[in-house]
Amino acid sequence: QITLKESGPTLVKPTQTLTLTCTFSGFSLSTSGVGVGWIRQPPGKALEWLALIYWDDGNSYSPSLKSRLTITKDTSKNQVVLTMTNMAPVDTGTYYCAHLRIVGVPGAYYFDYWGQGTVVTVSS
Amino acid sequence: EIVLTQSPGTLSLSPGERATLSCRASQSVSSSYVAWYQQKPGQAPRLLIYGASSRATGIPDRFSGSGSGTDFTLTISGLEPEDFAVYYCHQYGSSPLFTFGPGTKVDIK
Repeated sequence: QITLKESGPTLVKPTQTLTLTCTFSGFSLSTSGVGVGWIRQPPGKALEWLALIYWDDGNSYSPSLKSRLTITKDTSKNQVVLTMTNMAPVDTGTYYCAHLRIVGVPGAYYFDYWGQGTVVTVSS
Repeated sequence: EIVLTQSPGTLSLSPGERATLSCRASQSVSSSYVAWYQQKPGQAPRLLIYGASSRATGIPDRFSGSGSGTDFTLTISGLEPEDFAVYYCHQYGSSPLFTFGPGTKVDIK
C-alpha cells in the first residue's frame, strides 16, 4: 500500500525559505518508472505542479518557479525534500506530494497516490 | 507552453443525470499523457482516468474518458451523491512538464 505524507512549517515569513518533506512508504524511489512530484493549491484555486524527481535522480521544475525550487531525495529514508526560496504571500496554499507512475511506451504519466497535503501560510 | 481549458466552469446537475466535462489543450497532446482527477473539499485529488480513457484502480465504471489531439472528455454516466466535486484534467509532456486545467465544479442542481 502506497502512502505519502507531507511535513513542514505551517507559517513562514516573507523572504524566508520553505522546506517541505514528503515521507513515503509502499514503494522505492530507486525503482524504474517511479517519481515523486510536488503540487500546490492556493485557497480556492486550481492545482499547480511545482517539481518532480525521478528514480534515476533526474528532476524537472515548473519554468515559472525554477529559480526558487530545489528537489532532492533520500532513498534510504524514503523521503523527498522540496525547498522554495524567497517565499511571498502568493505562495500561501496547500502543498501536496504525489507518487508518479510511468506506464507503457509511450509512457502514460500520472500521479496515482497523493499525500493529504500540508497548509503553508506566508505572512509576517 | 500547453494551456488546458476546462468547460464549463460549473455544471449544475441532479443525481442520476449524465455529466460531460470538457478539457481542451492549446496544442495537440498525446492521449497517453492525459489524466483526470476528482477533488472534494478538504481532500487531496484522486486519480480517476489515465491515458485519456483508462480507469484507475477502484474507479466505478460510470466514469469514462475519451478524446484525442486537443479535445478530451470526462463523462459520468449517472451522477451519484458522492460525485459532486471538482474535476481537473492534467497533461504531461511539454514545458511545463505537467499542467492542470482550471477545474470544473459539478454541483447539485
